[in-house]
Amino acid sequence: GAVVSQHPSWVICKSGTSVKIECRSLDFQATTMFWYRQFPKQSLMLMATSNEGSKATYEQGVEKDKFLINHASLTLSTLTVTSAHPEDSSFYICSAKGLAQLYNEQFFGPGTRLTVL
Amino acid sequence: AQSVSQHNHHVILSEAASLELGCNYSYGGTVNLFWYVQYPGQHLQLLLKYFSGDPLVKGIKGFEAEFIKSKFSFNLRKPSVQWSDTAEYFCAVWPSGSARQLTFGSGTQLTVLP
Repeated sequence: GAVVSQHPSWVICKSGTSVKIECRSLDFQATTMFWYRQFPKQSLMLMATSNEGSKATYEQGVEKDKFLINHASLTLSTLTVTSAHPEDSSFYICSAKGLAQLYNEQFFGPGTRLTVL
Repeated sequence: AQSVSQHNHHVILSEAASLELGCNYSYGGTVNLFWYVQYPGQHLQLLLKYFSGDPLVKGIKGFEAEFIKSKFSFNLRKPSVQWSDTAEYFCAVWPSGSARQLTFGSGTQLTVLP
């Protein structure tokens, strides 16, 4: 149990375009989803936290107009990188946490590698 | 805000050597502690976690970690490493009762030579 998927796993786009990344909890209801960014050979940095049905909470320094997060259901959260630029190229990882004791920790998705040309 | 320090950035060991990776955190309250592993090209996997109870926690693949509250430490150990343990290891801290802010350490790259 506790599987989190991300789609796509890898995306290449041109500078100026927008990219949407999906994060799904496959076998549990995720009341909270987290979005992280990981640069090569670095640790994960939390970008934002989203609770189902409410606005995401962004960490300091993360532009909420650039990284749009929607958590419309208990199994799906999306991250849209708007007007992507080469410096947005990174590995984006989501995690999900449920309410039930069994799911009361973060379960991580496989990540999405974004390359902006 | 809490922080996590992993002292070793890169550790190189021969097979069958013993492993200890350091993790220290700064947070005054009750914490949940995690070690994650990221194999090359794969996603994060949970190795073990500490929520409460016995401070010596056993995880998957022969790993264990000991929570020493007085030292704010949660070091990861394995008595005999294998080549397949080559990966990046991350320590993470999550204050109890908090729905957010799982803070990761900078990671330790472990290379095991055959």
